[in-house]
Amino acid sequence: DGGITQSPKYLFRKEGQNVTLSCEQNLNHDAMYWYRQDPGQGLRLIYYSQIVNDFQKGDIAEGYSVSREKKESFPLTVTSAQKNPTAFYLCASRTLLSRSDPQHFGDGTRLSIL
Amino acid sequence: AQKITQTQPGMFVQEKEAVTLDCTYDTSDPSYGLFWYKQPSSGEMIFLIYQGSYDQQNATEGRYSLNFQKARKSANLVISASQLGDSAMYFCAMREGQAAGNTPLVFGKGTRLSVIA
Repeated sequence: DGGITQSPKYLFRKEGQNVTLSCEQNLNHDAMYWYRQDPGQGLRLIYYSQIVNDFQKGDIAEGYSVSREKKESFPLTVTSAQKNPTAFYLCASRTLLSRSDPQHFGDGTRLSIL
Repeated sequence: AQKITQTQPGMFVQEKEAVTLDCTYDTSDPSYGLFWYKQPSSGEMIFLIYQGSYDQQNATEGRYSLNFQKARKSANLVISASQLGDSAMYFCAMREGQAAGNTPLVFGKGTRLSVIA
C-alpha cells in the first residue's frame, strides 16, 4: 500500500534532549512538509522540501532541523532549543504535477515532555 | 494577518441534516486553490475537496460541496445528509500561486463538527 509512515506514534522527550521524528513516503512525491498542531489549533508549517538536499523554513522553524538525503525520507529533529515541543506533528507530501494536487498526510506523532 | 479564517469553533448538526462550515480567505494573488480536510479524533488528515480560483463551477465530491463566492473571498463547505461519522475537525486551507510548484498549504484554525443522533 502506498502511503506516508510516521514513527513513532508517541514520543517522550527529556529536558535538554534532541529527538528525531521519522517520515517516510512511498508515493514517489517530490515535496514533503512538516506541520505542528497544538490542541484546538490549526496546522503551522515548520519546514518543507521540494527536492533532495534542499529545504525551506516555514513559519515556526526555530528549534527544529530537517534533512532530505533521500526523496522518500524527511526526518524532523526537535532540538533542545525548542522550549515548548509538546504538540502533534504531522508530515505530508505531494506531487508537483498540478496545483490541484492535495497534500497527503501521515498519521502523526504525539510528542510530550517528560 | 490571517490568510484563512474559520469563524465557527464548534458546530452541531442533527443526523441526516445538511450543515455549512464557513471559510474566508485573504489573498492578492488571482491564482490560488482552496482545500478542505477532515481530521477525526484519531488525528489523520483526510482530503475532502478542492476548488481552484479559476474554476467556473462549485466543486462537488459525493456529499461534500463547496459554496465558492470569489468576490466575497469565501469557500464554505456544505455537507449534506450528515452522518455520525462526520463528527470531526474540519480545516480549510489555501495554496497561492499559478504554478504547480511548492507553495505549502496555509491552514485555518478549524471547526469542530458534532453530529447528533
